[in-house]
Amino acid sequence: GAGVSQSPRYKVAKRGQDVALRCDPISGHVSLFWYQQALGQGPEFLTYFQNEAQLDKSGLPSDRFFAERPEGSVSTLKIQRTQQEDSAVYLCASSSRLAGNTGELFFGEGSRLTVL
Amino acid sequence: DQQVKQNSPSLSVQEGRISILNCDYTNSMFDYFLWYKKYPAEGPTFLISISSIKDKNEDGRFTVFLNKSAKHLSLHIVPSQPGDSAVYFCAASASGYMRFGAGTRLTVKP
Repeated sequence: GAGVSQSPRYKVAKRGQDVALRCDPISGHVSLFWYQQALGQGPEFLTYFQNEAQLDKSGLPSDRFFAERPEGSVSTLKIQRTQQEDSAVYLCASSSRLAGNTGELFFGEGSRLTVL
Repeated sequence: DQQVKQNSPSLSVQEGRISILNCDYTNSMFDYFLWYKKYPAEGPTFLISISSIKDKNEDGRFTVFLNKSAKHLSLHIVPSQPGDSAVYFCAASASGYMRFGAGTRLTVKP
């Protein structure tokens, strides 16, 4: 596709359930970011991939959060044993530039996670 | 740690008038600034940017001003149109990692 694609768009999980969120970036984009956006807040950085390498995961809120991009294209954000505070929109963004070089990010529509 | 702040959660203006959205930042290492626009149920989309070596960048109806000494930037939209109604996020970048403000919801009334 022409843009960043995320799935599922909406996910309702029971507390304690594991979830997996998928991001399909723009073809050829080397940089991929995950952001978490809580209600009424701006996107908060979670993690950054350059191709298949996860260069920064300093924003992941706990060890229940895990992200991977094994072939340098599609990425998956996994949240284990979900808690209510994990409820948020998870945004994926990609860029043709390496982090450290300025440029815009292209965002997907986000995956809205609601933990009951 | 709120490094990028948008202190006005909402702004309402009349069609045809100027909209001014403000953003403050605390990290002097930020060297690139962007504005993103977000419609409901969509991801943010890039609007306009400015490098720290400039103090103004203009693109059609949109102008971004940067005041480095005050660590302040603003987005001017003139004339405002109803289609501009959206949430606007200010973002700042140092070493490529962007930090976002909480957003300002702009409503342009016909």
